[in-house]
Amino acid sequence: RKEVEQDPGPFNVPEGATVAFNCTYSNSASQSFFWYRQDCRKEPKLLMSVYSSGNEDGRFTAQLNRASQYISLLIRDSKLSDSATYLCVVNPPWGGGYNKLIFGAGTRLAVHP
Amino acid sequence: EAQVTQNPRYLITVTGKKLTVTCSQNMNHEYMSWYRQDPGLGLRQIYYSMNVEVTDKGDVPEGYKVSRKEKRNFPLILESPSPNQTSLYFCASSLKGAEAFFGQGTRLTVV
Repeated sequence: RKEVEQDPGPFNVPEGATVAFNCTYSNSASQSFFWYRQDCRKEPKLLMSVYSSGNEDGRFTAQLNRASQYISLLIRDSKLSDSATYLCVVNPPWGGGYNKLIFGAGTRLAVHP
Repeated sequence: EAQVTQNPRYLITVTGKKLTVTCSQNMNHEYMSWYRQDPGLGLRQIYYSMNVEVTDKGDVPEGYKVSRKEKRNFPLILESPSPNQTSLYFCASSLKGAEAFFGQGTRLTVV
């Protein structure tokens, strides 16, 4: 089993739609969680951290369910510019507080007019 | 401007010809790492460094070397490249427990 698993997609949605991605992780002692965004052939960039209580940043909402070991990302009112690959990222317990990051393979989102 | 700079961005080389991919950051970050990205596999860590002269293997270190003689630089060395090292490579840096910043990537093809 992979340490971090995501549905690869692609998710094809119209502008204005709400779309949700899930991600599961295997190590229950993992310490911190993130969503990164990666545009085609470009470097990953931090979208948002994921906190235990859930957190929101504009149209983006991230949730963490430690009991079930999954993380979700909800995007409301999708824009064309949201088209990208979304990477679920986990900092495992052996990371020592450093960014020993484990990446999922990514979920591709395509927003169309 | 805060950034991580990798060079070259694109490289085609032949099997066995030693090469170095440079990585430099201007944010005084302690932690630097190298990843490779392959279709369907996501980013996998090759090597990382927690500070000057402190390096350790990541998940896929075979065939690679690194050095950290200065805080800002973290070159990736392929002593004898092989076709299975054809990949997209990213360097990243961060402070402890903080956001990771990535370089723009190096697309390497080994023929």
